[in-house]
Amino acid sequence: DVVLTQTPVAQPVTLGDQASISCRSSQSLVHSNGNTYLEWYLQKPGQSPQLLIYKVSNRFSGVPDRFIGSGSGSDFTLKISRVEPEDLGVYYCFQATHDPYTFGAGTKLELK
Amino acid sequence: EVQLVESGGGLVQPGRSLKLSCLASGFTFSNYGMNWIRQAPGKGLEWVASISSSSSYIYYADTVKGRFTISRDNAKNTLYLQMTSLRSEDTALYYCARPRSMMVITPFAYWGQGTLVTVSS
Repeated sequence: DVVLTQTPVAQPVTLGDQASISCRSSQSLVHSNGNTYLEWYLQKPGQSPQLLIYKVSNRFSGVPDRFIGSGSGSDFTLKISRVEPEDLGVYYCFQATHDPYTFGAGTKLELK
Repeated sequence: EVQLVESGGGLVQPGRSLKLSCLASGFTFSNYGMNWIRQAPGKGLEWVASISSSSSYIYYADTVKGRFTISRDNAKNTLYLQMTSLRSEDTALYYCARPRSMMVITPFAYWGQGTLVTVSS
């Protein structure tokens, strides 16, 4: 099975700073159809997860442009520029290229 | 407005069975693949199972394969998860989720609020 390793486990930030989260896969996430099914989700405290990014770099409807997904192959990054209070929570990467699908363990974005 | 409402959770003894439901509204249910994702208390997300719009394609996590069955009734706009041989490690909040667009299974664009399953004697 594909293992997604997220770093760091926790990211202390000051509001207005940039934050960066890494997601590394144990194998390439390029599908045989050429797409890369790497997604990012945010779970705010007490809420259901919400979709941020799909296919590496596509922002879901309504997601602010301060969220930027990038990467290729097996190495991916989510950058959040100018962190705002509503960005705090746990971020998960997820791969849907290989069955079974898998989530990363999560990265907690928290205030310093 | 897309709405997903899970139900059927509760306290169940190890080895017993339970069936979860997810009632969908606000979209044409029969056009979309659907998914179950769970979260153990204080832990991360775990994908459980997915089913295509016509039930032609079904996928399971290794941890539930052979014990759980995902199914759907498009006439009732309802997704199901039949869980058998339940273990303590199946204790979790179970979410159903809909993808962003038709003819695909992910990404999980819409989520329900979840239904809690507790497996304990």
